[in-house]
Amino acid sequence: AAGVIQSPRHLIKEKRETATLKCYPIPRHDTVYWYQQGPGQDPQFLISFYEKMQSDKGSIPDRFSAQQFSDYHSELNMSSLELGDSALYFCASSLVLAGSTDTQYFGPGTRLTVL
Amino acid sequence: ILNVEQSPQSLHVQEGDSTNFTCSFPSSNFYALHWYRWETAKSPEALFVMTLNGDEKKKGRISATLNTKEGYSYLYIKGSQPEDSATYLCAFLTGANSKLTFGKGITLSVRP
Repeated sequence: AAGVIQSPRHLIKEKRETATLKCYPIPRHDTVYWYQQGPGQDPQFLISFYEKMQSDKGSIPDRFSAQQFSDYHSELNMSSLELGDSALYFCASSLVLAGSTDTQYFGPGTRLTVL
Repeated sequence: ILNVEQSPQSLHVQEGDSTNFTCSFPSSNFYALHWYRWETAKSPEALFVMTLNGDEKKKGRISATLNTKEGYSYLYIKGSQPEDSATYLCAFLTGANSKLTFGKGITLSVRP
């Protein structure tokens, strides 16, 4: 079965550079979530999109932006990178039906290292 | 701020031992509780989605219970095997397409 695809899997950037992370949800899933997991920390929600519109926003810095495209893939854009942005970035997708509690399926993550 | 607590933080058991973990969550605004299993270098794998007070779910040797009134869920592993070694995360939802609020996870290590 198709899973959530994230690219790249690993990314190394310098401070103040920009990075773009991509997420391709499971086919027919309409919702995408982004999570950030710093070293030794639990995953923290960043932002989510439902049917290409932002549906919820968490602790996402202003330097970060994201969008969901017409083919439902999503991109997380990170500018003016800081050392503290080094983390594992997970994307998850789900199919949201009214009143449902559909599972969020996670991608393998993108490990971002900022030097 | 939602607080999802998991205990213990880590657990080391012998193969064949049974284990259980606790996930505590706010009992108000409850919509669903998810359990995930997360192996190193892999993405979190969904185990259970629990919604109703008194829910009990089972998958092989792993089972989970839910008490929404008091705000906790238990995950049981019967006869632990080395391949059960992983981090077990619980995550709380307040709505149908709301974000998951994760606990810190419980790292289980099963010795052969």
